[in-house]
Amino acid sequence: GAVVSQHPSWVICKSGTSVKIECRSLDFQATTMFWYRQFPKQSLMLMATSNEGSKATYEQGVEKDKFLINHASLTLSTLTVTSAHPEDSSFYICSARELQGYEQYFGPGTRLTVT
Amino acid sequence: DAKTTQPTSMDCAEGRAANLPCNHSTISGNEYVYWYRQIHSQGPQYIIHGLKNNETNEMASLIITEDRKSSTLILPHATLRDTAVYYCIVRSPSSTLTFGKGTMLLVSP
Repeated sequence: GAVVSQHPSWVICKSGTSVKIECRSLDFQATTMFWYRQFPKQSLMLMATSNEGSKATYEQGVEKDKFLINHASLTLSTLTVTSAHPEDSSFYICSARELQGYEQYFGPGTRLTVT
Repeated sequence: DAKTTQPTSMDCAEGRAANLPCNHSTISGNEYVYWYRQIHSQGPQYIIHGLKNNETNEMASLIITEDRKSSTLILPHATLRDTAVYYCIVRSPSSTLTFGKGTMLLVSP
């Protein structure tokens, strides 16, 4: 149980375009979802936290207009990287926490490369 | 949440026990010790967690000192597939997981 999926697993896009990453909780309802970013040889950094039906809360230094997060249902959250630039190339990982739960379950990650 | 200190890297021979230490001297009474690992280019994988008692599951054992200021994750028979970055995280039940730099464990034949 407690499986989180991400789609796509990897994506290449051109500079200036937008790309959407989906995060789904497959067998539980996730009231809260988290988005992390990981640059090569670095640790995971929390970008934002989203609660179903509410606006996301972004960490300091993360541009909310650039990284659009939608959490419209209890099983789906999306991260859209708008006007992507090469420096946005990174490994994006989502995590979900179930209703009335404390544990976070992680997705497999999405590798974004912006050319 | 309390800060943790882990060695940057460790080596282990395949088949031997891997003992990964973690210091968390500022841990509070309601904070748990969690261990995750991340194999290259994958999402973090939960290993084990505990409050004050030692814990064991099918993956590993967690030994927490009596004063709770440090802990050790034990992989009893390390395999090549255990090569990963291991993260020790201290958190209260409702807090978000925050990752430090972790320990890079290299298991060699």
